[in-house]
Amino acid sequence: QLQLQESGPGLVKPSETLSLTCTVAGDSISSTNHYWGWIRQPPGKGLEWIGSIYYSGNTYYNPSLKSRVTISVDTSKNQFSLQLRSVIAADTAVYYCARHKGQILTGYSIWGQGTMVTVSS
Amino acid sequence: QSALTQPASVSGSPGQSITISCTGTSSDIGYYNYVYWYQQHPGKAPTLMIFEVSNRPPGVSNRFSGSKSGNTASLTISGLQADDEADYYCSSYATSRTWVFGGGTKVTVL
Repeated sequence: QLQLQESGPGLVKPSETLSLTCTVAGDSISSTNHYWGWIRQPPGKGLEWIGSIYYSGNTYYNPSLKSRVTISVDTSKNQFSLQLRSVIAADTAVYYCARHKGQILTGYSIWGQGTMVTVSS
Repeated sequence: QSALTQPASVSGSPGQSITISCTGTSSDIGYYNYVYWYQQHPGKAPTLMIFEVSNRPPGVSNRFSGSKSGNTASLTISGLQADDEADYYCSSYATSRTWVFGGGTKVTVL
């Protein structure tokens, strides 16, 4: 059964870089025809798409975050990662990793449980 | 890239039917049939309820149905049950090779 697990620091200082990793279990990132992505949800607010990646490294990003975001993949560890630079308080959110149903045009079929990240000094 | 528009809240009594609308533009909902609906209970991750406008994943009750007309997609829940009380989000692929979500709708079972 496919499972995704987010991991990383729960507290990040303003202006620093938020780094999260999603570990995939029950499936191989490089053997399936799926994109993988990151979505976030500020406390009490709605969902926001951050970006998505294919095992080959092909990426798509939310234009509003593109200048600060890098999503990468490590097929040897069956993981993909998120880096968000120069964070501010508004980046405080629950961050989810998820698997697309297929190619980038398809939505998310499987989600991780999410991890809360707070930006504060 | 603007968020899709959903009503903030919708309510209904047990057994009734409710419909949640999701309005986008000719660059997202109006252009693609890649409209997805997610259910989110408090403190939990979203779960997929409808994919590609009107398809249900295995295990999702047939009380949930989806449709689309022009730039507006809709999710209908029939035979409303207490466990349906949750937040619901629509999402669509857009011509800018991005994904956009709706602001979410809180469903209350009276």
